[in-house]
Amino acid sequence: DVVMTQSPLSLPVTLGQPVSISCRSSQGLVYSTGDTFLNWLQHRPGQSPRRLIYEVSKRDSGVPDRFSGSGSGTDFTLKISRVEAEDVGIYYCMQATHWPFTFGGGTKVEI
Amino acid sequence: QVQLVESGGALVKAGGSLRLSCAASGFTFTDYYMSWIRQAPGKGLEYLSYISPTSSDTIYADSVRGRFTISRDNAKNSLYLQMNGLRADDTAVYYCAKTARIIELRGQGTLVTVSS
Repeated sequence: DVVMTQSPLSLPVTLGQPVSISCRSSQGLVYSTGDTFLNWLQHRPGQSPRRLIYEVSKRDSGVPDRFSGSGSGTDFTLKISRVEAEDVGIYYCMQATHWPFTFGGGTKVEI
Repeated sequence: QVQLVESGGALVKAGGSLRLSCAASGFTFTDYYMSWIRQAPGKGLEYLSYISPTSSDTIYADSVRGRFTISRDNAKNSLYLQMNGLRADDTAVYYCAKTARIIELRGQGTLVTVSS
């Protein structure tokens, strides 16, 4: 199975400051079609998880542009340019290139 | 707007069965793969299964293969997860998602609790 390793596990942040979350996969995530199926999900307290970013860097509609995704190969990053209070929660990376699809362990962002 | 409403979760004894449902709306259901994901209490997310639009392609995680069956009714815009042989470690909130690889989670999930 592809192991997704996120760091840090916990991330104390200051409002208005930038944040970066790393996700490393144990195998490359380029699919046979050339696509890279690396998603980022946000799980806010008391809510259901929702997708923020798909295919490494494509931001979902309604997701603020302070969120961005980047990376290639086995190294990927989610960045929040200026953290807001509503960004508190757990962030997961997920690979959907190799079966079984797997998630990172999560990064808890807290103020 | 995509809406996914999961239902069917309950408290069940180990060894028992449950059938989860997911009612989909806001998109052309027959065009998309659908999937099930779960989150055990205090744990991370686990991808369980997906199914193709015509039901010809299904796949399962090792943890549920042989016990769970994914299915869909395109006439009813509904996705199902039949869960047999439930175990305590199946206790989780179960979410359905639109698509297989670029999962889109829109529902509140349904809680399954398996008592031993």
